[in-house]
Amino acid sequence: SSELTQDPAVSVALGQTVRITCQGDSLRSYYASWYQQKPGQAPVLVIYGKNNRPSGIPDRFSGSSSGNTASLTITGAQAEDEADYYCNSRDSSGNHPVFGGGTKLTVL
Amino acid sequence: QVQLQESGPGLVKPSQTLSLTCTVSGGSISSGGYYWSWIRQHPGKGLEWIGYIYYSGSTYYNPSLKSRVTISVDTSKNQFSLKLSSVTAADTAVYYCAREGKVPNWFDPWGQGTLVTVSS
Repeated sequence: SSELTQDPAVSVALGQTVRITCQGDSLRSYYASWYQQKPGQAPVLVIYGKNNRPSGIPDRFSGSSSGNTASLTITGAQAEDEADYYCNSRDSSGNHPVFGGGTKLTVL
Repeated sequence: QVQLQESGPGLVKPSQTLSLTCTVSGGSISSGGYYWSWIRQHPGKGLEWIGYIYYSGSTYYNPSLKSRVTISVDTSKNQFSLKLSSVTAADTAVYYCAREGKVPNWFDPWGQGTLVTVSS
């Protein structure tokens, strides 16, 4: 089992706001990064660090963290945001990267 | 911008060694500041970090795979490679290479991925 826990599936109505969470003890010490993966494609980094977006990522994507939980928020979800989302941080010892199990986002 | 591309056999026999190469373009592995990683994804499953290498040759591997993994770098060709020995069907996966930032930890960009099937 992963050291980072994500809900398997989340749904959101078109244009509404959705929060995808990632829980793990290591998140008390390390920021999470977030990736979007569409079917048949490689993951794409959407958020890293405290709340940083790589170039080209829409500003409707934002990140936050509190205690042992990191969150990815999509404000005004679009149809093209339907995808799997993975969080990533360090393992509990801080030695190596780990990924959450992924959350499948459905935009209704 | 930096781009990564995996290459290697798509079919490997059980007990043999899986070998993949990642070619980096648009940037130099030798410039430092980043680590160069391998990550895999079993069919329909999540992501598993395999290990990384720095341009100097220092490596770090996932403890769960450490006994079977070797990652090497060829800075003259701007490539890094993965070898996974004694493969079984459980190693069938899409293998990605990616550039890794350390603090905070992130992976960007990723290669397109290559499916490796372990079967006789």
